[in-house]
Amino acid sequence: DSGVTQTPKHLITATGQRVTLRCSPRSGDLSVYWYQQSLDQGLQFLIQYYNGEERAKGNILERFSAQQFPDLHSELNLSSLELGDSALYFCASSVGGYTDTQYFGPGTRLTVL
Amino acid sequence: GENVEQHPSTLSVQEGDSAVIKCTYSDSASNYFPWYKQELGKRPQLIIDIRSNVGEKKDQRIAVTLNKTAKHFSLHITETQPEDSAVYFCAASTGGLLTGGGNKLTFGTGTQLKVEL
Repeated sequence: DSGVTQTPKHLITATGQRVTLRCSPRSGDLSVYWYQQSLDQGLQFLIQYYNGEERAKGNILERFSAQQFPDLHSELNLSSLELGDSALYFCASSVGGYTDTQYFGPGTRLTVL
Repeated sequence: GENVEQHPSTLSVQEGDSAVIKCTYSDSASNYFPWYKQELGKRPQLIIDIRSNVGEKKDQRIAVTLNKTAKHFSLHITETQPEDSAVYFCAASTGGLLTGGGNKLTFGTGTQLKVEL
């Protein structure tokens, strides 16, 4: 157990819908990262927040957005869902940014039908 | 942006043999190189990482080497055991040097390691 928690574990929804994935970092960690893992794209970085502020951005779609709250938990919002959004979404956390070790949560498996 | 290539995509070894996985990266500013192990349907777990100020790091049966000139790094697992069977990912990051503290990991495509009895 890495100490990073994610909810829900599984999510099944329909195309066009909107969902919210939640992540709580390890105690003391200020950075939260979101990654998408799919069979055809592998593990892809989406976005990083550090203490409430966006710190780095990957190839995150405009339909996706994220935020980190004052209590440091983070939410990833996915809207206008498409079949291709079906994937495992991982959250990771680290103490700070830079080269701090990132610890991954158990992931949320999203299935879009 | 950064591009990380990983080889081989699959690797089958006999129990007790050594396994080597190789990665190359494109961004010479990269300074942090972690390796993750992922079992089916589970989270990636860090097994070892190396920063650009060292050339080699070892932790029991696992070692990583880094050649900054050639821009490649490798994972070495000795005395492999069946529980080593999993997918292994390498990754690279510029670790905030050019990104104001950002630590975006760019992952390789993974190596499916199978340790046979």
